[in-house]
Amino acid sequence: DVKVTQSSRYLVKRTGEKVFLECVQDMDHENMFWYRQDPGLGLRLIYFSYDVKMKEKGDIPEGYSVSREKKERFSLILESASTNQTSMYLCASSPRIYPPGEQYFGPGTRLTVT
Amino acid sequence: GQNIDQPTEMTATEGAIVQINCTYQTSGFNGLFWYQQHAGEAPTFLSYNVLDGLEEKGRFSSFLSRSKGYSYLLLKELQMKDSASYLCAVRPRAAGGFKTIFGAGTRLFVKA
Repeated sequence: DVKVTQSSRYLVKRTGEKVFLECVQDMDHENMFWYRQDPGLGLRLIYFSYDVKMKEKGDIPEGYSVSREKKERFSLILESASTNQTSMYLCASSPRIYPPGEQYFGPGTRLTVT
Repeated sequence: GQNIDQPTEMTATEGAIVQINCTYQTSGFNGLFWYQQHAGEAPTFLSYNVLDGLEEKGRFSSFLSRSKGYSYLLLKELQMKDSASYLCAVRPRAAGGFKTIFGAGTRLFVKA
């Protein structure tokens, strides 16, 4: 059974704190993604990675950075958390195949910044 | 710009059929996905269309018309457990081909 896991389901942080969200997949997928999901806006891509140490900005990268040191792990970093980063964060992975396949999502981390 | 539109909410009755529409405008097209997301859970894959026509998978079917930028998800014999959000997502033909654009989702309520 394929699995994407995220380090926390719920997280509360204070404004200005540095926040780490961890994602691990056990499917040997090349591609990994970080999204945030907000009501009425759908899933918006923050960053994605198509290989170890490779990363590409998504549609809303401002205020975020990522790290992919190992194939199975993709970390999202909020350098200085702000209240407008309160959201549901979803990690996903997919294999590098053609035609492109579906993405497998983790359970999400609901982050609240106070 | 790139845009995906789908209705915000729909209500249907158990045992009935419901059609959830999705229209898209993207810079190129490399496939359309439908995902199901129950409240508080991760999205899960339902269907993938890259050619025009209907793809059937059990109680769920998905249709695509590339010339019209249009897709629909058809759910038959509705069950209470089908109450969820349904996300339409398009993969534009972009460098790398990995990016997927998601619609805001359609929340479906199934009533007894």
